[in-house]
Amino acid sequence: NAGVTQTPKFRVLKTGQSMTLLCAQDMNHEYMYWYRQDPGMGLRLIHYSVGEGTTAKGEVPDGYNVSRLKKQNFLLGLESAAPSQTSVYFCASKRGSPTGELFFGEGSRLTVL
Amino acid sequence: AQSVTQPDIHITVSEGASLELRCNYSYGATPYLFWYVQSPGQGLQLLLKYFSGDTLVQGIKGFEAEFKRSQSSFNLRKPSVHWSDAAEYFCAVNEAAGNKLTFGGGTRVLVKP
Repeated sequence: NAGVTQTPKFRVLKTGQSMTLLCAQDMNHEYMYWYRQDPGMGLRLIHYSVGEGTTAKGEVPDGYNVSRLKKQNFLLGLESAAPSQTSVYFCASKRGSPTGELFFGEGSRLTVL
Repeated sequence: AQSVTQPDIHITVSEGASLELRCNYSYGATPYLFWYVQSPGQGLQLLLKYFSGDTLVQGIKGFEAEFKRSQSSFNLRKPSVHWSDAAEYFCAVNEAAGNKLTFGGGTRVLVKP
């Protein structure tokens, strides 16, 4: 009964370092999303995927890359981390319908020094 | 482009009192509307959603919301607040035929004993 699992949950990076956040879901959902949450700004969509092998840009995609090689996994990469990318990152998934409920992971807190 | 505004950043309410959280959206056609709740250190959980039909929708934990097309609003209410309702609440909108959920900035609710 895992749902959506994000790893790692916490990470501290230095400016310029790279890292990958992994999101895994076991609900066979078609759609997967990466959001970032910053105080007072709600959740902003970074990238999303509507199926295996597909990705699309969201509201704030700059500085991030994603891949969806397997249906159950959605990876978010930071090639050269910047302090502005300090945030809490949430992965979410849902069935392939506009009315479908989004299921969220517990978040990954990233600090870039 | 669709957008969501939650005018109140913080609300403090006494336990047992009623609660109303405001949400205004901007979208041309009939939107799909959602309310999510986030407890500290957790991901988001769906409270309720509106797609069509009865404009007053019931959700989990005793919450309800009313869709008012003329005011472009989808306000969340609870008649009697419990201490466990202290959390951050997010309103969100999805295009009828779209794949992306747009979130408001959130309202943090504090409950006084």
